[in-house]
Amino acid sequence: GIQVEQSPPDLILQEGANSTLRCNFSDSVNNLQWFHQNPWGQLINLFYIPSGTKQNGRLSATTVATERYSLLYISSSQTTDSGVYFCAAPLNYGGSQGNLIFGKGTKLSVKP
Amino acid sequence: DAGVTQSPTHLIKTRGQQVTLRCSPKSGHDTVSWYQQALGQGPQFIFQYYEEEERQRGNFPDRFSGHQFPNYSSELNVNALLLGDSALYLCASRTGAGNTIYFGEGSWLTVV
Repeated sequence: GIQVEQSPPDLILQEGANSTLRCNFSDSVNNLQWFHQNPWGQLINLFYIPSGTKQNGRLSATTVATERYSLLYISSSQTTDSGVYFCAAPLNYGGSQGNLIFGKGTKLSVKP
Repeated sequence: DAGVTQSPTHLIKTRGQQVTLRCSPKSGHDTVSWYQQALGQGPQFIFQYYEEEERQRGNFPDRFSGHQFPNYSSELNVNALLLGDSALYLCASRTGAGNTIYFGEGSWLTVV
């Protein structure tokens, strides 16, 4: 099955710094999603981005499907950005969008 | 508009016991998926329910079973609990054709 790998596993930033998180996937995907999990366990969908670039405030994401990777950019980081960031792809190409395989995540800590 | 709600939020069970976790999907959503998230790992797909039937299943033993009711709510049952079943159990919902999935806050299960 498809493999999803994220890097780096851990990241410590000073408030105001920028960062780039990477997600590599082993096979073609028709869907790639980014999530943020807060310290209490709540998973929030950030982007649905099968290809191209999307922006939402200080966050943006780019997926290059032909090269099998996606990037999540966080600009001017804030302490509230802390948590774990996951990327996820469908278990099967063309499969149900709700049945996802997740990477192991990048744990981000933003210091004041 | 209530999001995805799960109950209970925390519970402790003894090895060998059985547990039932409950999920009410976001209003308007008819598809429910369950995930298991061990400490320090990404969520792992257990199964998906749509129209009261299990539609897809991840790599989990038959001890894990589920049900979906006519009002789209769902239950996850785990029999013969093992210590390794200790995890955060997440429920996610979406519409049948939707790309965005919404997660509940999860049920923290500890098996002792």
